[in-house]
Amino acid sequence: GAVVSQHPSWVICKSGTSVKIECRSLDFQATTMFWYRQFPKQSLMLMATSNEGSKATYEQGVEKDKFLINHASLTLSTLTVTSAHPEDSSFYICSATLAVPYEQYFGPGTRLTVT
Amino acid sequence: KNQVEQSPQSLIILEGKNCTLQCNYTVSPFSNLRWYKQDTGRGPVSLTIMTFSENTKSNGRYTATLDADTKQSSLHITASQLSDSASYICVVSRNYGGSQGNLIFGKGTKLSVKP
Repeated sequence: GAVVSQHPSWVICKSGTSVKIECRSLDFQATTMFWYRQFPKQSLMLMATSNEGSKATYEQGVEKDKFLINHASLTLSTLTVTSAHPEDSSFYICSATLAVPYEQYFGPGTRLTVT
Repeated sequence: KNQVEQSPQSLIILEGKNCTLQCNYTVSPFSNLRWYKQDTGRGPVSLTIMTFSENTKSNGRYTATLDADTKQSSLHITASQLSDSASYICVVSRNYGGSQGNLIFGKGTKLSVKP
């Protein structure tokens, strides 16, 4: 089956610093990648949709200058949390879409803790 | 309003027993309904995906049903195992392919299987 990886799996950073999270589709080319955030005991919340070679589309309420998304290739998308604050601490999950059969495959997630 | 409601919120069962999780949705236009299993600290893993015309779909000990008329779905787990302990998320797609971020997530049912 299609595999999506994320790196790092967990990261601790200090308030005010930036953190980059990578999302890779390992054995397929993803037409679209999605970034989600999940707080404890909550459902996944879509942050942005990313298509290779074009600007990401952000959901309402998500600051695009704070959460920078780069989708440089069909197998790699990155999410950079800039000037991180403790309230940005969350579980960040990416997913990638396979054109056929239109399944969405999720990465294992990245646990971000901002101290 | 597009919503996916799941019940119960949490469930504890003994190993070997069966259980059924419920999902009600008010999503339009409906494309497909998916059930995911999410282990703690991991990304969701797809169990089943059903389109409008499908009433039931099985994946091993997991059987999902869909009633598109009443907009209800259920996930039945037979002969539960300790490894079934996880959150089960019902997701409804508004358009085929789940692109453009049209996945509506339920909050999940947290299942605990005890020995």
